[in-house]
Amino acid sequence: GNSVTQMEGPVTLSEEAFLTINCTYTATGYPSLFWYVQYPGEGLQLLLKATKADDKGSNKGFEATYRKETTSFHLEKGSVQVSDSAVYFCALIALTGFQKLVFGTGTRLLVSP
Amino acid sequence: EPEVTQTPSHQVTQMGQEVILRCVPISNHLYFYWYRQILGQKVEFLVSFYNNEISEKSEIFDDQFSVERPDGSNFTLKIRSTKLEDSAMYFCASSDTLAGSYEQYFGPGTRLTVT
Repeated sequence: GNSVTQMEGPVTLSEEAFLTINCTYTATGYPSLFWYVQYPGEGLQLLLKATKADDKGSNKGFEATYRKETTSFHLEKGSVQVSDSAVYFCALIALTGFQKLVFGTGTRLLVSP
Repeated sequence: EPEVTQTPSHQVTQMGQEVILRCVPISNHLYFYWYRQILGQKVEFLVSFYNNEISEKSEIFDDQFSVERPDGSNFTLKIRSTKLEDSAMYFCASSDTLAGSYEQYFGPGTRLTVT
């Protein structure tokens, strides 16, 4: 079946540090890939997406590249801010059926000043 | 900017009681979803809904669950007889196309606590 594996958290960084959150997936065919972010007390917000191999999604300084050869979609940011503290979810939609999102377990990011 | 809304934000109920969670999807969207997140665990798909019928459901979505679009704006999730293990955050989502951007827009969630 389709699944997403994320690195365990929490990830604790100082402000302006470089961030990587690893995400790998298993899927039939070529899924679309997403990163969602959940700020404390809020719902899920789409952060970025990529729909085909080698696509790079980017938003708010975050980037992730769809790597078919390694089935990965790692999230990166060059310089994190305290306001980036949140839980980050990697997710996929397999291009079959009715496009349900399959989520990873989420990675909590804590950024200190 | 259009957004998905959910009510209530927090619902406390006793085991065995019925609850209805309400969602107002984005107005021009046609595809609706419910997900749940048990505390500390991953977000799990429950059900998708299109053209006034269920299009897909997970093994979690058993006979205790039902969904309905009672009018042109609301989308509801009913749990007939709640169990302790139904305690979770329930998220509604909507999207405007099956084949296209695949973006699903989520509401803020309803925290359901079953005592």
